[in-house]
Amino acid sequence: QVQLTESGPGLVHPSETLSLTCTVSGFSLTGYSVYWVRQPSGKGLEWMGRMRYNGDTSYNSALKSRLSISRDTSKNQVFLKMNSLQTDDTGTYYCTRDGFAYWGQGTLVTVSS
Amino acid sequence: DIVMTQGALPNPVPSGESASITCQSSKSLLHSNGKTYLNWYLQRPGQSPQLLIYWMSTRASGVSDRFSGSGSGTDFTLKISSVEAEDVGVYYCQQFLEYPFTFGSGTKLEIK
Repeated sequence: QVQLTESGPGLVHPSETLSLTCTVSGFSLTGYSVYWVRQPSGKGLEWMGRMRYNGDTSYNSALKSRLSISRDTSKNQVFLKMNSLQTDDTGTYYCTRDGFAYWGQGTLVTVSS
Repeated sequence: DIVMTQGALPNPVPSGESASITCQSSKSLLHSNGKTYLNWYLQRPGQSPQLLIYWMSTRASGVSDRFSGSGSGTDFTLKISSVEAEDVGVYYCQQFLEYPFTFGSGTKLEIK
């Protein structure tokens, strides 16, 4: 059974770095790509980036200077790090598997002092 | 980046009526392999997006046959025949032809 679960700090202060983890089960990270998608509060969906099954990464150019995606295949985890957070980075962050049929429940990140 | 533009619905839609949601892309999503790289999702209140349609017209597993997708390379339609209360939420189109995989701004469906 395919599952993805996001986890993170919940609250981040402005200018600090966000670190999120997507823990997956039911499939291998060496067989499927994993994407990060975020949703600012009350707004639409934004594709952030991708960890490909072979370890390659792609990023949304609008976020590329602040964003880094990595993984630990032994732990079945994909990581997102984004620096210089501002209040408009507040929202729900999702990870989803290639094909987009499987999504995590999302983790709410609030950027506030 | 490819821009996805969605149309609005004349909310609320009476239960049992059909509803059509439009989506337009700034670039053709028709690949040389003959496939059109467009997805449709429903995001119910408080939930993660649910994939409804992929490759423009293929229903995802478990999705009701009341949902159908159609279109050309740049103009797309999601049709919901006989809307029900469980169809309430925001519908998104998404292109996955080129990075970044951009989404439309969403179309809200309310039921009367």
